[in-house]
Amino acid sequence: SQQGEEDPQALSIQEGENATMNCSYKTSINNLQWYRQNSGRGLVHLILIRSNEREKHSGRLRVTLDTSKKSSSLLITASRAADTASYFCATGGTGGTSYGKLTFGQGTILTVHP
Amino acid sequence: SQTIHQWPATLVQPVGSPLSLECTVEGTSNPNLYWYRQAAGRGLQLLFYSVGIGQISSEVPQNLSASRPQDRQFILSSKKLLLSDSGFYLCAWSRYGQGGQPQHFGDGTRLSIL
Repeated sequence: SQQGEEDPQALSIQEGENATMNCSYKTSINNLQWYRQNSGRGLVHLILIRSNEREKHSGRLRVTLDTSKKSSSLLITASRAADTASYFCATGGTGGTSYGKLTFGQGTILTVHP
Repeated sequence: SQTIHQWPATLVQPVGSPLSLECTVEGTSNPNLYWYRQAAGRGLQLLFYSVGIGQISSEVPQNLSASRPQDRQFILSSKKLLLSDSGFYLCAWSRYGQGGQPQHFGDGTRLSIL
């Protein structure tokens, strides 16, 4: 079953604008991760935020996590045409047998127009 | 550095034929290994994961099986393919442990069943 639900399903913006994608989940998590997928390729890990963290930055990426609302957001600042891709959130569960398993959402398709 | 290889990149098979997809990881030892399937425009569904040689856990009942004959080799198989087995198959690895690690993906195999 899918735990993460991304919103919006699709986002179209102009180069230079900021892009914000949201992810909601249902059960307790150990960590939440964001991935990027270019069309027809594998996923690339972007950023990991642990359940005891509230915000994390990596270059033009900013991720927030609100465990009380069971939600996360990914902000891409000053977007570029090369940022065009699908973005997925994935949650890692608690418990001793999680073995690094992740549950992925359906993704947000981001299109950045030059 | 670590790399993951997945092949073939595309495969067209008739219904009822067997399947073997291979994934190998280099540059790390005792990784957790994962097989996912992605339907068009959808998120990833975890099919199998493995924490060691010969140790396979299935996440969903299906027509597929997985094996891990060597530490860094993960194979996805089927004796008789169904139309519903079509999709994009992704292999991934993460460092051994209980969780909180990013996953690293291969470039996937596009499987079409005729």
